[in-house]
Parts: sequence; structure tokens; C-alpha cells
Amino acid sequence: GDSVTQMEGPVTLSEEAFLTINCTYTATGYPSLFWYVQYPGEGLQLLLKATKADDKGSNKGFEATYRKETTSFHLEKGSVQVSDSAVYFCALSDRGGADGLTFGKGTHLIIQP
Amino acid sequence: GAVVSQHPSWVICKSGTSVKIECRSLDFQATTMFWYRQFPKQSLMLMATSNEGSKATYEQGVEKDKFLINHASLTLSTLTVTSAHPEDSSFYICSARLVQPGAAGTQYFGPGTRLLVL
Repeated sequence: GDSVTQMEGPVTLSEEAFLTINCTYTATGYPSLFWYVQYPGEGLQLLLKATKADDKGSNKGFEATYRKETTSFHLEKGSVQVSDSAVYFCALSDRGGADGLTFGKGTHLIIQP
Repeated sequence: GAVVSQHPSWVICKSGTSVKIECRSLDFQATTMFWYRQFPKQSLMLMATSNEGSKATYEQGVEKDKFLINHASLTLSTLTVTSAHPEDSSFYICSARLVQPGAAGTQYFGPGTRLLVL
């Protein structure tokens, strides 16, 4: 079956540091890939997505590129802020979001001022 | 836009009782909603797909008689945990799929319902 593996947290960085959260996947089909973010006390929010190989999703300074050859979708941001502190989930869907999502375990990101 | 609410946000019940959780899409219609379960420090696990006007589709290992799902309208899906036991204590999260022209749709998530069964 499908699965998503992402780096375990918590990840602690200083403000303005460069962020990378690794995500790799296995899927039987050609999935769409997503990053969701969960701020404290709130529900999951879609951060960005990519639906085909070499697509780059971007939002709020975050980027991730769909790498089919390495089955990866790593999340990056050039300069993190304290307000980026949250839990980040990598996820996939076999039919572009029409099916339920398969999630990674989540990475807790802590940004210190 | 694309707001999804859940009610209640948390509930405590006695073992053996049933608990109903509501999921509503507030500003869009959703023919498809999803129910997930999240254990502490674990990922979200898809439990079932809720389709308006038809039976829900359950994931392997999820007891359909235990977790009753009803999607009676385009803005409301309910999950009823029947005869709840302590092992059913968890965080239950719903999502609603917003269908856009030419795209399969994006899932928007509710804030979750924390269930504690004593």
C-alpha cells in the first residue's frame, strides 16, 4: 500500500535559519503530493501541493518539488520565522485529492527567536 | 472561504455509550467528506470516505458497525462511535473535499474532536 515517511521531530531552529523537512513516499500509482501544516490549537491547513513530476508547489515562502526519480517531496524555506512553529505533515493521494490522504507522522518544528 | 467545522470539539463519555460527532462545510457543498483518526504523536489514519446520499466506504480494519457514518446533506457528515470503549479514545478529524473545475479537489480539514472514554 501507499506510505509516506518524513523526518522525525522535533526540529528546532533559530529564526532566519534555512529549513528542510524531508519527505519520501511509496505509491502504487502516480500520486499527488501535499504538505499540510497544523498550528497549535487549529486544524490542518493545506500549505502547498504538486500533482506531477517536477512540479514545484509554493506558498508563504515554503517550496517543495515533486521528484519522481527519488520519490521525494522535501519541504524547504529560506528563512524561517517564529510564526512558522507548527507541525508539518507530508501526504499523498492517488487521485489528486479525490481519495483520502495518506499522511506521514508529522514533523514538529520549533523556531526560537 | 472553505471552512470546515466540527462539533463538539471535545467530549468525555462513559464506556458503553454512543457519541456523535458532526462535520460541517460552512461555505461550500461537499459531496465527499473523509474521517480520520489521530493517536498521540502519530499520523492521521483514514477511517472512511463519506459520500452524500450513499453508504460510506471504510478502510480495511475499521469496523463499520462501530463507527457509523451518515452523510445526509451536502454540508453535513456525522460519525457515531457506538458502544464506546477506552480504546476508542482518540482525536477524530474530518475533511471536506472542495471540487474545482478541472481539478480533483482539495481537502479542507476541521479542527478535530477529542474523545475520551472513561
